[in-house]
Amino acid sequence: GIQVEQSPPDLILQEGANSTLRCNFSDSVNNLQWFHQNPWGQLINLFYIPSGTKQNGRLSATTVATERYSLLYISSSQTTDSGVYFCAVAPRAGSYQLTFGKGTKLSVIP
Amino acid sequence: DGGITQSPKYLFRKEGQNVTLSCEQNLNHDAMYWYRQDPGQGLRLIYYSQIVNDFQKGDIAEGYSVSREKKESFPLTVTSAQKNPTAFYLCASSSRGGTGGYTFGSGTRLTVV
Repeated sequence: GIQVEQSPPDLILQEGANSTLRCNFSDSVNNLQWFHQNPWGQLINLFYIPSGTKQNGRLSATTVATERYSLLYISSSQTTDSGVYFCAVAPRAGSYQLTFGKGTKLSVIP
Repeated sequence: DGGITQSPKYLFRKEGQNVTLSCEQNLNHDAMYWYRQDPGQGLRLIYYSQIVNDFQKGDIAEGYSVSREKKESFPLTVTSAQKNPTAFYLCASSSRGGTGGYTFGSGTRLTVV
């Protein structure tokens, strides 16, 4: 099946700093999503972005499908950004279901 | 407000028991999914359903069963055949075919005692 690798696995930031999270995947995709899991376990969909660039406030994401990677940018980080960020993909051919990476754990300190 | 409701939030199971986790959605989504999350790990797919009365095994279906009798509901039963059931279980829904974004419930933490 499709492989998803996220980096870095852990990231500690000072409040106000910017960061870039990366997601590499092993095959062509027709679905790519970024999620944020808060400390209580709730998963929130941030972006549906199989290709191109999107922005939502301080967050933006870019997927370069031809090179099989996606980037999530967090600007002016806040303590509420802490948690785990997951990238999930579904292959272009075959199943529709999302395969998740292991996540990047982000800690934003005051 | 539309969303997905999972219950209970916490569940304790004795050895040899079957337990059922509830998942209800009012988003009018055709597709529903069950994922399992272990500490420090990503999510792994247990079962999914694209339409009523149809469901498919995911990557780790052994020891689990599901039903999809109504569009809004997709309960998961953790059977006694599941040897290591302690985990965080998450239910999600999406439009049919998985396009667009997934919406997740708040999860159920299952512990074997």
